[in-house]
Amino acid sequence: AQRVTQPEKLLSVFKGAPVELKCNYSYSGSPELFWYVQYSRQRLQLLLRHISRESIKGFTADLNKGETSFHLKKPFAQEEDSAMYYCALSPTGTYKYIFGTGTRLKVLA
Amino acid sequence: NAGVMQNPRHLVRRRGQEARLRCSPMKGHSHVYWYRQLPEEGLKFMVYLQKENIIDESGMPKERFSAEFPKEGPSILRIQQVVRGDSAAYFCASSPPGPRYNEQFFGPGTRLTVL
Repeated sequence: AQRVTQPEKLLSVFKGAPVELKCNYSYSGSPELFWYVQYSRQRLQLLLRHISRESIKGFTADLNKGETSFHLKKPFAQEEDSAMYYCALSPTGTYKYIFGTGTRLKVLA
Repeated sequence: NAGVMQNPRHLVRRRGQEARLRCSPMKGHSHVYWYRQLPEEGLKFMVYLQKENIIDESGMPKERFSAEFPKEGPSILRIQQVVRGDSAAYFCASSPPGPRYNEQFFGPGTRLTVL
């Protein structure tokens, strides 16, 4: 079955500390993977996608096919990073996304 | 570009009534997707449409739910004879044609409450 798992519902870190938001997926092919972010009172927006291999707002994510993971990382958290983060998978040849349940990141002052 | 527009933002219906949710994609986008988010859950895919065509409705409940994306006007998600379990946030997304076809841009959502 195709599934995305985000094991942490809530992650609290102090400002300046490293952040890692976990995402594991279950899919037999080569998926496309995305991280979306939803700031308070705003719409869901794309943070990054694995094929572009870019860093957005200091966040990076590496696809690990062996561990079927796509964890989101940032070396130094900032208060404005507080938001809801969703990992999503798009199976090859389809347009739909399969979302994880999301992780709420709280960055404490 | 105003982004994906959804209206209404909040909709209250009594059991048995009909709910109509509208979505206007971003300018130049030809693909529309609907997702449903129940409390404490992630977004679940419902349906993918292009103009006048339903491409994938594998996530749509078999009864009471329908979707359309006419040649002119917004995409409509219609729920007939609503029940309390239909209470959720419904999100629409759109994507452009071409190489970034699966980069989806989301609307603000419509929160449906069934009394």
